[in-house]
Amino acid sequence: SAVISQKPSRDICQRGTSLTIQCQVDSQVTMMFWYRQQPGQSLTLIATANQGSEATYESGFVIDKFPISRPNLTFSTLTVSNMSPEDSSIYLCSAQRENTEAFFGQGTRLTVV
Amino acid sequence: AQSVTQPDIHITVSEGASLELRCNYSYGATPYLFWYVQSPGQGLQLLLKYFSGDTLVQGIKGFEAEFKRSQSSFNLRKPSVHWSDAAEYFCAVTPGGYQKVTFGTGTKLQVIP
Repeated sequence: SAVISQKPSRDICQRGTSLTIQCQVDSQVTMMFWYRQQPGQSLTLIATANQGSEATYESGFVIDKFPISRPNLTFSTLTVSNMSPEDSSIYLCSAQRENTEAFFGQGTRLTVV
Repeated sequence: AQSVTQPDIHITVSEGASLELRCNYSYGATPYLFWYVQSPGQGLQLLLKYFSGDTLVQGIKGFEAEFKRSQSSFNLRKPSVHWSDAAEYFCAVTPGGYQKVTFGTGTKLQVIP
């Protein structure tokens, strides 16, 4: 298993600003992912955070809006840039090893006002 | 591409009654299958998983699920629901390896006295 710490747990931000969310895993993992969960919705994959290289983004998500870093095998950040109220969501970090389930942090509940 | 369907958006059951949540998947081969639970304001917790072998899998909190290849289904069951089971339940699928996990739209469970 893997224990994932995500912070902040929640934040209220002004539109036009940026927020960086941190995700720390208690052991090395091969794969880390970032998901968005809009109110009342399921999880949508934003991107795969690749260690030492650029993240791989899903359709509809771009690097300028959601820059991601992954400097090592236990840590990743997601930045939500130039925020608007439509970015109000829960953002979830997950980690996987080969052929295992996805482990999740508690999420970051973001409200943009 | 893989996909997951949870046909029931919302289910209400009485405490002590049995529960079955439906999940159908679309994938060419047998994927890895999961059920997660999300309580309000929380991250996702893994209830159970199916990789191979016995098609009836036991999970935490008294849940079980049965993989039926002929029906492409992985339904979640519990013989007697407790009020604390009220939450949202997500079925998920991955081809395995280092592939991403795809989530269904979720089923919100309400438990009434």
